Amino acid sequence: NAGVTQTPKFQVLKTGQSMTLQCAQDMNHNSMYWYRQDPGMGLRLIYYSASEGTTDKGEVPNGYNVSRLNKREFSLRLESAAPSQTSVYFCASTVEGGRGTEAFFGQGTRLTVV
Amino acid sequence: DQQVKQNSPSLSVQEGRISILNCDYTNSMFDYFLWYKKYPAEGPTFLISISSIKDKNEDGRFTVFLNKSAKHLSLHIVPSQPGDSAVYFCQYSGAGSYQLTFGKGTKLSVIP
Repeated sequence: NAGVTQTPKFQVLKTGQSMTLQCAQDMNHNSMYWYRQDPGMGLRLIYYSASEGTTDKGEVPNGYNVSRLNKREFSLRLESAAPSQTSVYFCASTVEGGRGTEAFFGQGTRLTVV
Repeated sequence: DQQVKQNSPSLSVQEGRISILNCDYTNSMFDYFLWYKKYPAEGPTFLISISSIKDKNEDGRFTVFLNKSAKHLSLHIVPSQPGDSAVYFCQYSGAGSYQLTFGKGTKLSVIP
């Protein structure tokens, strides 16, 4: 019962470095999401993928790219990290059911850009 | 576009008393609202939801009330326990909408 797995859990980057945050879900969900959480800002949507093969921008997509590799995996890439991208990143997948569209989140990646 | 607002960033309550967390929304077109609970260093987890056709849903110590005329919902926790200390998010769920919209969250502290 892994649910949504994110790697890594922690990362420190220097300004200008690149990295990819990995996310995988084993619940056979169609839709997957990347959020960032900053103090006082709540959860802001970066990108989402409604289904395999599609991706769309969310509220704060600048500086990020995504890849929906297959139904299980949705990665987030920072091509040239900036201090403003210091944040906690959450991946989520969703299922529609009797409780509405319910999101299942990973444990988060704490990223610091120095 | 649906906006979801949690206007209280934080709330402190004595153990055993009632906690009331609030959420306001702008668009009347929705199917459900969901509440999530988030502990430090963990992802949010589902707590309780309410359908647009109901005005109340209860699950143990947690009750969510929906006031459609005021475009307002509230989460009641009775009695509050120290383990309820967490950040609570409300989330809009609308048919055909893939952009899950969350409020900014309310940090609840339950004081023993």
